[in-house]
Amino acid sequence: GAVVSQHPSWVICKSGTSVKIECRSLDFQATTMFWYRQFPKQSLMLMATSNEGSKATYEQGVEKDKFLINHASLTLSTLTVTSAHPEDSSFYICSAKPSGRWGSNEQFFGPGTRLTVL
Amino acid sequence: GEDVEQSLFLSVREGDSSVINCTYTDSSSTYLYWYKQEPGAGLQLLTYIFSNMDMKQDQRLTVLLNKKDKHLSLRIADTQTGDSAIYFCAESHNNNDMRFGAGTRLTVKP
Repeated sequence: GAVVSQHPSWVICKSGTSVKIECRSLDFQATTMFWYRQFPKQSLMLMATSNEGSKATYEQGVEKDKFLINHASLTLSTLTVTSAHPEDSSFYICSAKPSGRWGSNEQFFGPGTRLTVL
Repeated sequence: GEDVEQSLFLSVREGDSSVINCTYTDSSSTYLYWYKQEPGAGLQLLTYIFSNMDMKQDQRLTVLLNKKDKHLSLRIADTQTGDSAIYFCAESHNNNDMRFGAGTRLTVKP
């Protein structure tokens, strides 16, 4: 089946540093990937839609200069949290939508990355 | 904005049926989904239903949709301990932008 991985699975960093989270589709190509954020006992909130080879589309209220998204290949999208602060601590989840010969309407989700900013 | 709401917890005994409920507010929702999340794993799509359907059954899973009341439910028959997980309801009008509920943690007691 379609597998999406995220790396790292958890990260602790100091306030003011930047953290990069990778999202990979392991056995399919994905033109479109999505980044979500989940607070404890709350729903997943879509942050941005990542499109291979073009700029990401950010949801209202999400700072694009703070959450940098790069979708440089058909199997990898990265989310960089720049100058992280404690309020950025959260669970970040990506999903990927198969494209090309793997084409599917289903989004496949990664296991998530827990970010803790001290 | 548009909301998706579901209760946070549900506890059932093994062998009983589980019913997880969800309400949504977006009347233009076209796709309605149920995802399962086990500890340390990504969200797994269990089933989905189009808004022009009332019911969908897949083995032990039954999805009921009341479009008028914007109410979606997931029934798991003969619930097993392996069904213990968090279940997310989600909706979308274009199969891209999805809005999720907070998740219902299902606990199955032996």
